[in-house]
Amino acid sequence: AQTVTQSQPEMSVQEAETVTLSCTYDTSESNYYLFWYKQPPSRQMILVIRQEAYKQQNATENRFSVNFQKAAKSFSLKISDSQLGDTAMYFCAFMTGSGQNFVFGPGTRLSVLP
Amino acid sequence: DSGVTQTPKHLITATGQRVTLRCSPRSGDLSVYWYQQSLDQGLQFLIHYYNGEERAKGNILERFSAQQFPDLHSELNLSSLELGDSALYFCASSGGLQAQETQYFGPGTRLLVL
Repeated sequence: AQTVTQSQPEMSVQEAETVTLSCTYDTSESNYYLFWYKQPPSRQMILVIRQEAYKQQNATENRFSVNFQKAAKSFSLKISDSQLGDTAMYFCAFMTGSGQNFVFGPGTRLSVLP
Repeated sequence: DSGVTQTPKHLITATGQRVTLRCSPRSGDLSVYWYQQSLDQGLQFLIHYYNGEERAKGNILERFSAQQFPDLHSELNLSSLELGDSALYFCASSGGLQAQETQYFGPGTRLLVL
């Protein structure tokens, strides 16, 4: 069974600073996908970034980037130039290549302080 | 606005009752996913339908069932409700079957079982 762990229940960062959210996962699969989702106070789930396990290059989406360490089964999210609108719950998620299993971590609550 | 609609937004009911949650995917999307977000269990994948057929099952209880209709909308039926079923239920849609496709989440239905 796959598991996803987010060891930081809560974090805070000053506006314009950089913050890194950690995520580790456990799987015996070789083909899978990793995601970071954001859930702001509105409770809407929004995809932040996606990484295919077969790609060595780390995914980047504007101010968001990941550090994917496949051997260590680590998938951290870096948010640069943090903005107040980044305040949200962030979930790391794992999906098997077949799409048969989709597992979310417990989440990290990020507060961006003015 | 993700383009995914869910009704009702809120639902209050009593233990032992049965409810139906409805989801309309984005125009053109063939896949619908259902998730449960509760305080103690976090975000859990329940079930995936593609073009009317069940494709994957997650942690869905036997008291719960779902279906996807020819017009691609989906319904999640929850029966013999228990206090622990109180949660936010999300549906999400994606274009096709590929595991890495972006899932667009609806606003959720908040269910309270008293």
